[in-house]
Amino acid sequence: DIQMTQSPSSLSASVGDRVTITCRASQSISSNYLNWYQQEPGKAPKLLIYAASSLQTGVPSRFSGSGSGTDFTLTISSLQPEDFATYYCQQTYITPPWTFGQGTKVEIK
Amino acid sequence: QVQLQESGPGLVKPSQTLSLICTVSGGSISSGGYYWSWIRQLPGKGLEWIGYIYYSGGASYNPSLKSRVTISVDTSKNQFSLKLSSVTAADTAVYYCARDAHDYGEGVDYWGQGTLVTVSS
Repeated sequence: DIQMTQSPSSLSASVGDRVTITCRASQSISSNYLNWYQQEPGKAPKLLIYAASSLQTGVPSRFSGSGSGTDFTLTISSLQPEDFATYYCQQTYITPPWTFGQGTKVEIK
Repeated sequence: QVQLQESGPGLVKPSQTLSLICTVSGGSISSGGYYWSWIRQLPGKGLEWIGYIYYSGGASYNPSLKSRVTISVDTSKNQFSLKLSSVTAADTAVYYCARDAHDYGEGVDYWGQGTLVTVSS
């Protein structure tokens, strides 16, 4: 199985801050198969970015993704109050099982 | 707008079989191109992919659960289901059904609201 490791596990930030979350795969994966999700407490995850850098319809442009190979990044350019949540990366490369990172909790400083 | 809704018992006894149904509306399971998935989240933990099924019946499971999991599809009812046998307290989780669009290079784009299943006597 491909292991996905996110860092940091949690972070504290203020409204307006630029936030970067990293996701590392245990082996090289095509950027076409790296996705990012946002999960608010008590709610289902929501797809933010697919194929490493493509913004899902309706997702604000302050969210962006990049990366290739084993290293990927989710960036929030200017943190808004509604962005305080947990973020997960996921790989869907070639064959299952699909795996998620352990999550990064973004908290208010 | 595709919508998914999980249904089933919220309490299951240890050693019994957990059974959930996901009803899809706003789109047809039979339209093809998508994989109909189950994903769970243990209390306070991250997300675990359980498996998926295609409308034609082909399924894939997480090896960690494969011996206990069956996912099936009923296209006439636009539903798919999950059965997890021999459950223990470690299977207590929120179970999500979802639509997986990986064949389109996209992710899991629609999710149900999730249902908490507690394993306890």
